Amino acid sequence: NAGVTQTPKFQVLKTGQSMTLQCAQDMNHEYMSWYRQDPGMGLRLIHYSVGAGITDQGEVPNGYNVSRSTTEDFPLRLLSAAPSQTSVYFCASSTVGAQYFGPGTRLLVL
Amino acid sequence: GNSVTQMEGPVTLSEEAFLTINCTYTATGYPSLFWYVQYPGEGLQLLLKATKADDKGSNKGFEATYRKETTSFHLEKGSVQVSDSAVYFCALGWGSGNTGKLIFGQGTTLQVKP
Repeated sequence: NAGVTQTPKFQVLKTGQSMTLQCAQDMNHEYMSWYRQDPGMGLRLIHYSVGAGITDQGEVPNGYNVSRSTTEDFPLRLLSAAPSQTSVYFCASSTVGAQYFGPGTRLLVL
Repeated sequence: GNSVTQMEGPVTLSEEAFLTINCTYTATGYPSLFWYVQYPGEGLQLLLKATKADDKGSNKGFEATYRKETTSFHLEKGSVQVSDSAVYFCALGWGSGNTGKLIFGQGTTLQVKP
């Protein structure tokens, strides 16, 4: 099993550009989440999904969209990037007792 | 609201020293508590967990006890190694933590010197 995979590993955007951060898991987990990690603030939940076709907002959803068309994939979309979205983004999938995190995507918005 | 507070870092220790990283929480209901570890350049890994009051989670020499009376979940290790250098996150969630919704503390950086 590859576990949780994320692409790209690193991305530079200009303000106003759009992009999609990809996340996939091969463990057949129902629950998936997106977090952002900023210095001194730990990880904050952006959006989460309890299964295909079902998503909900987390603590910091503004500026981000998600969809969950399959169990395996949970992409995160930035429609118009802003410098405040410079961060490291982690995707996670969950089963009973544990969350499994991907390696992260480092995003820089200029 | 629900929140997690960790001690400020960085924490710098010599090899074989005793480690304590404090974590306190505020929550409604009866959350589960977790410690995650992040090694440089990697994602987070679950280190240990406790799902109810007085439970003790343990793994790789680390342990933490769920103290409801003091709303705490302090991480301890009797003898740290250089390889323990990482960022440690305390977190809370509900159920077994499988809902995809965790609330994290700000993280504590541990540096262990030979």
